[in-house]
Amino acid sequence: AQKITQTQPGMFVQEKEAVTLDCTYDTSDQSYGLFWYKQPSSGEMIFLIYQGSYDEQNATEGRYSLNFQKARKSANLVISASQLGDSAMYFCAMREGPQRAQKLVFGQGTRLTINP
Amino acid sequence: EPEVTQTPSHQVTQMGQEVILRCVPISNHLYFYWYRQILGQKVEFLVSFYNNEISEKSEIFDDQFSVERPDGSNFTLKIRSTKLEDSAMYFCASTPLSGANVLTFGAGSRLTVL
Repeated sequence: AQKITQTQPGMFVQEKEAVTLDCTYDTSDQSYGLFWYKQPSSGEMIFLIYQGSYDEQNATEGRYSLNFQKARKSANLVISASQLGDSAMYFCAMREGPQRAQKLVFGQGTRLTINP
Repeated sequence: EPEVTQTPSHQVTQMGQEVILRCVPISNHLYFYWYRQILGQKVEFLVSFYNNEISEKSEIFDDQFSVERPDGSNFTLKIRSTKLEDSAMYFCASTPLSGANVLTFGAGSRLTVL
């Protein structure tokens, strides 16, 4: 079974609109972490946002927020006021187990295209 | 801002050759990692390294692969007898011992095996 599922292979959004990228996860651990990374066409992996399983509030980082619904095992990324530079591949990832062991399991990714 | 540095950015090699990919992690980080991304696919964990030894490895990381920290700054991934299916982007990453939970990735080394 997939540990991380991203059901949207591609999304097209108009500039300045908000966009939600879906991510569901599967784990039996009580302690885990959820991450979103951005991969532009240049290939590097850029960290966007992190949510710990015990964090009661949704994480926010500037225009990025993580809609964490623990009972549904979902960790959707919300980008507000999208910009042309947001066009990239977006990966959801999960860390199971202790924080020091950053063995991440990644989803297949969602390719986001922002149209002018 | 501190960054993870990887060299080379792109390497082309013939099947059967040995390749060494190099990484300079962030200086105060103590955990080091290699991940792999085959073109168009998801990123996959290969190995983690702490205190001069492998702490965890995936089933992908077989005897063909090895890692080493030859000095105080470099962290290398050696791939022996490369195969066509080893063609991928290889990412090095590092984390501190405690505190931040976030993997800092390097820009990647693209390996093309012909």
